[in-house]
Amino acid sequence: DAKTTQPNSMESNEEEPVHLPCNHSTISGTDYIHWYRQLPSQGPEYVIHGLTSNVNNRMASLAIAEDRKSSTLILHRATLRDAAVYYCILRSNAGGTSYGKLTFGQGTILTVHP
Amino acid sequence: GAVVSQHPSWVICKSGTSVKIECRSLDFQATTMFWYRQFPKKSLMLMATSNEGSKATYEQGVEKDKFLINHASLTLSTLTVTSAHPEDSSFYICSANGDPNYGYTFGSGTRLTVV
Repeated sequence: DAKTTQPNSMESNEEEPVHLPCNHSTISGTDYIHWYRQLPSQGPEYVIHGLTSNVNNRMASLAIAEDRKSSTLILHRATLRDAAVYYCILRSNAGGTSYGKLTFGQGTILTVHP
Repeated sequence: GAVVSQHPSWVICKSGTSVKIECRSLDFQATTMFWYRQFPKKSLMLMATSNEGSKATYEQGVEKDKFLINHASLTLSTLTVTSAHPEDSSFYICSANGDPNYGYTFGSGTRLTVV
């Protein structure tokens, strides 16, 4: 499985934008970039995913580098409820399967200050 | 959206007994489900891939005879921890992919404590 590298922790102030980086230099052409977040004692929650183009949804934006070797999750206005562990994961779509397994790394612990 | 329900949310059992954890897809059919284990302050570790109507695929180092997985229907997968010991105490989480165009949906997790 292609690996991802994320900073162990980041801090932000409430209502400010947050940029969470992720490096994935060994990404293959069939790998999707997924982001999930996990609050304490809860299962992970899907945030966003993309393949090549930047993506936006109601939760966040995903900026993908042109060479796809890195990506950035953008929370436009952090709230206290955004404090969580954020995981950047590569999901293989090799063979056309839509159900490739997710392998979690250590993630980034995001702290949001009031 | 896709919803995955996991039950129970927590369980305490005696050492040597078996515990069954259920994972249900409520509004979609899941031919594939995934089981994870998470120790305190650690990341999720994939244990196995549950396949409807066939045998589960276990990750390296996971004992298939200890962690029995049954995926008998398109909406239910179960994980049974057999002869549980204190070292099996952990947070167990299941997931499924309800829509290939979106991400995976996770259950809320089961906190297992073996005493």
